[in-house]
Amino acid sequence: AQSVTQLDSHVSVSEGTPVLLRCNYSSSYSPSLFWYVQHPNKGLQLLLKYTSAATLVKGINGFEAEFKKSETSFHLTKPSAHMSDAAEYFCVVSDHRRRYGGSQGNLIFGKGTKLSVKP
Amino acid sequence: ETGVTQTPRHLVMGMTNKKSLKCEQHLGHNAMYWYKQSAKKPLELMFVYSLEERVENNSVPSRFSPECPNSSHLFLHLHTLQPEDSALYLCASSQDPPGQGGENTEAFFGQGTRLTVV
Repeated sequence: AQSVTQLDSHVSVSEGTPVLLRCNYSSSYSPSLFWYVQHPNKGLQLLLKYTSAATLVKGINGFEAEFKKSETSFHLTKPSAHMSDAAEYFCVVSDHRRRYGGSQGNLIFGKGTKLSVKP
Repeated sequence: ETGVTQTPRHLVMGMTNKKSLKCEQHLGHNAMYWYKQSAKKPLELMFVYSLEERVENNSVPSRFSPECPNSSHLFLHLHTLQPEDSALYLCASSQDPPGQGGENTEAFFGQGTRLTVV
């Protein structure tokens, strides 16, 4: 069975300092992994995607994530936080061979990490 | 912005009303989804339409009724809702349907409809 755990429900950083949002996953197969961002009262926007190519994935807005199979992790980082980065971030695991399953379907969402950025 | 457009953005309805949410995708994708996002709960998949096939989450009440007239349009018909149905309803699409072996199963989301049932 697949699962995803976002280790922090809330992360607070100062503007200009690095961001680290942690995600661990569990998958029986070679998974695809994604990070999404959601600003208040908006839909989810895809930040980046890993599908078994390069283990370091670069996304939009200066974010990147590194796939570490030995640690079953896919942490999201950014060297320098901006005020506009304040939002909720979701780590998602997908087995593209899996059709549907329960209330999550083939995309398994983490519970989200709320990022606050202080001036 | 994402190629998935939802209307209306906000909806307030009484428990005896009937309303519909609309979603349109301009990406040429082959699968469309309805998700429900409630406060402090994980995102919940409600329905999937994939290459004309509908799959639903069996826990979704019958007061929610989806319709997919073609691959670009998706509706969610609402009737006799309850206050606990108040949530953000998100439509999404993906290029590849889930479980078909394609790698492009990431979902592209609309902005959502904020539904309040009074």
